[in-house]
Amino acid sequence: QKEVEQDPGPLSVPEGAIVSLNCTYSNSAFQYFMWYRQYSRKGPELLMYTYSSGNKEDGRFTAQVDKSSKYISLFIRDSQPSDSATYLCAMASGTYKYIFGTGTRLKVLA
Amino acid sequence: GAGVSQSPSNKVTEKGKDVELRCDPISGHTALYWYRQSLGQGLEFLIYFQGNSAPDKSGLPSDRFSAERTGGSVSTLTIQRTQQEDSAVYLCASSRDGQGGDEQFFGPGTRLTVL
Repeated sequence: QKEVEQDPGPLSVPEGAIVSLNCTYSNSAFQYFMWYRQYSRKGPELLMYTYSSGNKEDGRFTAQVDKSSKYISLFIRDSQPSDSATYLCAMASGTYKYIFGTGTRLKVLA
Repeated sequence: GAGVSQSPSNKVTEKGKDVELRCDPISGHTALYWYRQSLGQGLEFLIYFQGNSAPDKSGLPSDRFSAERTGGSVSTLTIQRTQQEDSAVYLCASSRDGQGGDEQFFGPGTRLTVL
């Protein structure tokens, strides 16, 4: 079993939909949780960063961490075609080592 | 300021040849990371440099892979006697100091194709 599991998709949604992206993990030592967005042929860019449990909101994006269930989510409201990308979750325990999910490909249809 | 840069952006080589991939981190960042991204495999950690400390090479898949970081700045990843399974995107990232949860900034990657 991988330390971090993420559904690879692809996920296709109509413009304006609410998108839910998820990752599960097995290592209870993880305390830093990140979401990266990666456009085709580009490097990943940090979208959301959460320490420990709870919710964090930034514009149309909300990150949720449920440590008791070892489950994190990224919600995108009012999705736009420009949100079409691969979304990677990443986690770290307290060192420099990030463990990444495989990424979910999202396509928002105009 | 300038982000992480990598060169070349694309590299096509023949099986058995050596390749060198270059990474210029963000100025002032002491931590530097190399990852490999293969289709459907996510980002695979290869190596980590922090200041003058000995690098963490635990992710290098074989002794054909090596990396160095000169003067605490530019890094070069070298793959000797390339194999077809080495075909992937090689990503470099840097962060301020490599402490837990330190934000990693990624370069655009080098797409390596081994024929």
